[in-house]
Amino acid sequence: GQQVMQIPQYQHVQEGEDFTTYCNSSTTLSNIQWYKQRPGGHPVFLIQLVKSGEVKKQKRLTFQFGEAKKNSSLHITATQTTDVGTYFCAGGPYNFNKFYFGSGTKLNVKP
Amino acid sequence: EAGVAQSPRYKIIEKRQSVAFWCNPISGHATLYWYQQILGQGPKLLIQFQNNGVVDDSQLPKDRFSAERLKGVDSTLKIQPAKLEDSAVYLCASSSGGLAGGLETQYFGPGTRLLVL
Repeated sequence: GQQVMQIPQYQHVQEGEDFTTYCNSSTTLSNIQWYKQRPGGHPVFLIQLVKSGEVKKQKRLTFQFGEAKKNSSLHITATQTTDVGTYFCAGGPYNFNKFYFGSGTKLNVKP
Repeated sequence: EAGVAQSPRYKIIEKRQSVAFWCNPISGHATLYWYQQILGQGPKLLIQFQNNGVVDDSQLPKDRFSAERLKGVDSTLKIQPAKLEDSAVYLCASSSGGLAGGLETQYFGPGTRLLVL
């Protein structure tokens, strides 16, 4: 079954509001990746975090990897309608060639 | 550079029929993945190839699903016979290869949308 859980499942925000999605794993992850999937599209890689406590920023997007490497978050500041889509985290445990996607958070932004 | 190519884009079949999907990864990418994405869920890894060898097929329903990558380049995924619950988007992805544990960026194809009636 799924090894990586994501919350919330859905998020509706007004344009300009902030948005955060959380990713949790029961096991320590070797790394975490974030993908965005637009409606009807395919997942597109956003970023990868490898180090404990790592924080990376891409314009309005801030990604964090927890100290224990079991959780991660994606925060979008001042959402825009172009941010609409489903955001997935994905990761795998150490020493195993296994890679699990979270269930995703579907973001809807109202103009 | 050209992205990951998949065909067909859409397929409608009746249950118990067979179906095959094709994927051509980005040139030079050693690792190829097949995912099943059921509506409203995240992609589930079915099988991962490193060149023409299988790295992980633990979530592949082997009684009905098979996949091959004979020459280490393009790949086919087959379902025989199909069931209603196989209705999903089948995504192919590739990465440059060589690193374990999903450490590489995966580039996804457009997917094949399968509907089993």
